[in-house]
Amino acid sequence: QKEVEQDPGPLSVPEGAIVSLNCTYSNSAFQYFMWYRQYSRKGPELLMYTYSSGNKEDGRFTAQVDKSSKYISLFIRDSQPSDSATYLCASDTGRRALTFGSGTRLQVQP
Amino acid sequence: EPEVTQTPSHQVTQMGQEVILRCVPISNHLYFYWYRQILGQKVEFLVSFYNNEISEKSEIFDDQFSVERPDGSNFTLKIRSTKLEDSAMYFCASTLAGGVNEQFFGPGTRLTVL
Repeated sequence: QKEVEQDPGPLSVPEGAIVSLNCTYSNSAFQYFMWYRQYSRKGPELLMYTYSSGNKEDGRFTAQVDKSSKYISLFIRDSQPSDSATYLCASDTGRRALTFGSGTRLQVQP
Repeated sequence: EPEVTQTPSHQVTQMGQEVILRCVPISNHLYFYWYRQILGQKVEFLVSFYNNEISEKSEIFDDQFSVERPDGSNFTLKIRSTKLEDSAMYFCASTLAGGVNEQFFGPGTRLTVL
């Protein structure tokens, strides 16, 4: 059973669109939730970090965690071509061993 | 802005050879990690390190792997006898101590085993 599942995409949207990226997870012990952005053959770049349930906003990015449904979301407002990348969700129980999803490839068309 | 650095960016080695991948974590961070990503696959946790000892390791991190913090700045991953299936991107990450769990990743070392 995959612990963190993510639609691989690709997801193609026009510039300026609102993007919704989602993950589901199966491990009830996950407490920490992160979103990373990864460009081709580069290291993951931390975008958002959330502890437990709730929303967190940072500029054009909003992260949501719903622990009751085991659902993690990242919303990108006013998407830009520079947002084109693979987005990885990751979760952790507190053991400091991140479990990653497979990543969703996003393409923002100018 | 402080960042995690890794060297080399690309390492090519023959099967059975030993390799050492090097990382310089962010200077005030106290937790260090290694992850790997086989081409086209998920990023996978290998090991975490705190206070000069391993705190967690995955099933992947078997006896052919070891980690060390040889001085105050470097953190290394050694693979004793490389196999073809060790070919992957290896990422180092680091975190502040305490309850914070934000892990900041380096750019990675691409290991190619021939």
